[in-house]
Amino acid sequence: GIQVEQSPPDLILQEGANSTLRCNFSDSVNNLQWFHQNPWGQLINLFYIPSGTKQNGRLSATTVATERYSLLYISSSQTTDSGVYFCAVEGGNKLVFGAGTILRVKS
Amino acid sequence: ETGVTQSPTHLIKTRGQQVTLRCSSQSGHNTVSWYQQALGQGPQFIFQYYREEENGRGNFPPRFSGLQFPNYSSELNVNALELDDSALYLCASSLGWGETQYFGPGTRLLVL
Repeated sequence: GIQVEQSPPDLILQEGANSTLRCNFSDSVNNLQWFHQNPWGQLINLFYIPSGTKQNGRLSATTVATERYSLLYISSSQTTDSGVYFCAVEGGNKLVFGAGTILRVKS
Repeated sequence: ETGVTQSPTHLIKTRGQQVTLRCSSQSGHNTVSWYQQALGQGPQFIFQYYREEENGRGNFPPRFSGLQFPNYSSELNVNALELDDSALYLCASSLGWGETQYFGPGTRLLVL
């Protein structure tokens, strides 16, 4: 089945810093989503981005489907950005998740 | 428009018991997927229901079963609970296959 790898596994930032999270996947996909999981476990949709670039406030994402990777950019990070970021790709009719990136933003 | 809701929020069971978790999909969504998330891992796909029919299943044993109702709400049933079934169980709904999936807040199950 399709494999999803995320890097880095852990990231510690000072408030105000920028960061880039990466997601590599092993096969062509029709759907790629980025999620933020808050400390209570809620998965919050950030982007639905099978290809191209999207921006939403301080967050943006780029997926290069032909090269099988996606990037999530966080600019001017805030403590509320802390949590786990997951990339998930559609494999058949299911989402296949990566192991996530744990982000800690320090004030 | 209400989002995806799940009940209960937390549950404690003992080994060998049976449990039923419930999910109400977002308004207009006919597809519901269930995921299991063990501590420190990404969610793993259990199965999906589309218009009341199972539409794909992950690598989970038959004691994990489900149901979708005419209003598209869904249940996840787990029989003969094992300690390793302790996890966060997430439900997601979508407008259809390949569409954006929206997740509920999850049910935390602890098996003692």
